[in-house]
Amino acid sequence: NAGVTQTPKFRILKIGQSMTLQCAQDMNHNYMYWYRQDPGMGLKLIYYSVGAGITDKGEVPNGYNVSRSTTEDFPLRLELAAPSQTSVYFCASSYRRTSGLTDTQYFGPGTRLTVL
Amino acid sequence: DQQVKQNSPSLSVQEGRISILNCDYTNSMFDYFLWYKKYPAEGPTFLISISSIKDKNEDGRFTVFLNKSAKHLSLHIVPSQPGDSAVYFCAASTIIQGAQKLVFGQGTRLTINP
Repeated sequence: NAGVTQTPKFRILKIGQSMTLQCAQDMNHNYMYWYRQDPGMGLKLIYYSVGAGITDKGEVPNGYNVSRSTTEDFPLRLELAAPSQTSVYFCASSYRRTSGLTDTQYFGPGTRLTVL
Repeated sequence: DQQVKQNSPSLSVQEGRISILNCDYTNSMFDYFLWYKKYPAEGPTFLISISSIKDKNEDGRFTVFLNKSAKHLSLHIVPSQPGDSAVYFCAASTIIQGAQKLVFGQGTRLTINP
């Protein structure tokens, strides 16, 4: 199993450009998440999905969009890039564990995005 | 309004000694607390968790303690090893629509010195 994969690893965008960050998992997990991590800060949840066709906003959704057409893929779209979106983006996935145990989120290696 | 805080940005410990990482939270509704470990250029990896109804969970060299009255948890690593050098994130969990929503602290960079 490759686990959670993310592409690209690095990207530089100009202000106003758009791009899609790709995320895929091969563990048949229902739940998928997008986070951003700014320097010296913890990860903040952007969007999450509980299954194909179902997505919802997290803590910091402004400026982003997501879709989930398959169990495996959960792309994150930036429509009009702004310098404030310079960050490292992590995708994660998990499955619902039996009661008494918490879910474990498996993270991808991240995409480092710079907006100039 | 930061719900999960790690007030020590860095910690340096000698190999073989105990490392203690601390975390404070404000929301009593969190159901689990988790610790994640992160190496440079990699995603975080799950380390250990504790239910909000427990006060201790142990897994090998790693033990997490939860003090609900103080809204404080700590991660103990004994003995510390060079491979433990990483950034450690504390996270608190709530379940919304079955999805686990995590709130992360800022992280503590742990350095184990030989």
